[in-house]
Amino acid sequence: GESVGLHLPTLSVQEGDNSIINCAYSNSASDYFIWYKQESGKGPQFIIDIRSNMDKRQGQRVTVLLNKTVKHLSLQIAATQPGDSAVYFCADPNYGQNFVFGPGTRLSVLP
Amino acid sequence: SAVISQKPSRDICQRGTSLTIQCQVDSQVTMMFWYRQQPGQSLTLIATANQGSEATYESGFVIDKFPISRPNLTFSTLTVSNMSPEDSSIYLCSVDAGMETQYFGPGTRLLVL
Repeated sequence: GESVGLHLPTLSVQEGDNSIINCAYSNSASDYFIWYKQESGKGPQFIIDIRSNMDKRQGQRVTVLLNKTVKHLSLQIAATQPGDSAVYFCADPNYGQNFVFGPGTRLSVLP
Repeated sequence: SAVISQKPSRDICQRGTSLTIQCQVDSQVTMMFWYRQQPGQSLTLIATANQGSEATYESGFVIDKFPISRPNLTFSTLTVSNMSPEDSSIYLCSVDAGMETQYFGPGTRLLVL
């Protein structure tokens, strides 16, 4: 079956540094991915998405990169702030039929 | 984006009892989803709830254990029946926001003793 997984389950970064969270997927037919941020005690919050016709998409302080050749995507957070501390999930909506979520990466921002 | 609320936000329940979780959306949506998130883990889809039809359950989840109602386009309930400690989880509802995106409610934290 399909899997969407992460290379690192936890990530600690210094405030002000850039963060990179990785995600691997197995379904080569997947054409759309979403990154969610889940803060403690809250539901997942949509951050940014990317379609397979793009290699890169930028938002406010966040950038998602997609490498279809190796089935890998990453979320980059620039100038990481304490408010970025959360668990980050990549997700494959699977054409809206059955979301597949990665296991999540916990990002801890150190002062 | 849709505003989604859930009730209760948390509960502690005794083994063998049942709990009904409510999910309210501030706009009409076609598809609503229920997820379970066990401690320290990712989200697992329980079922998809469309108004006017029976919910569609994912493998490993059955209607007798997790009955779902979807009486209108802004509301749904999930019941966790005959609870055991293994049912202790966060239960989240989400809605189809179009373009294959989903928005999530804040979750209901359930502890079964």
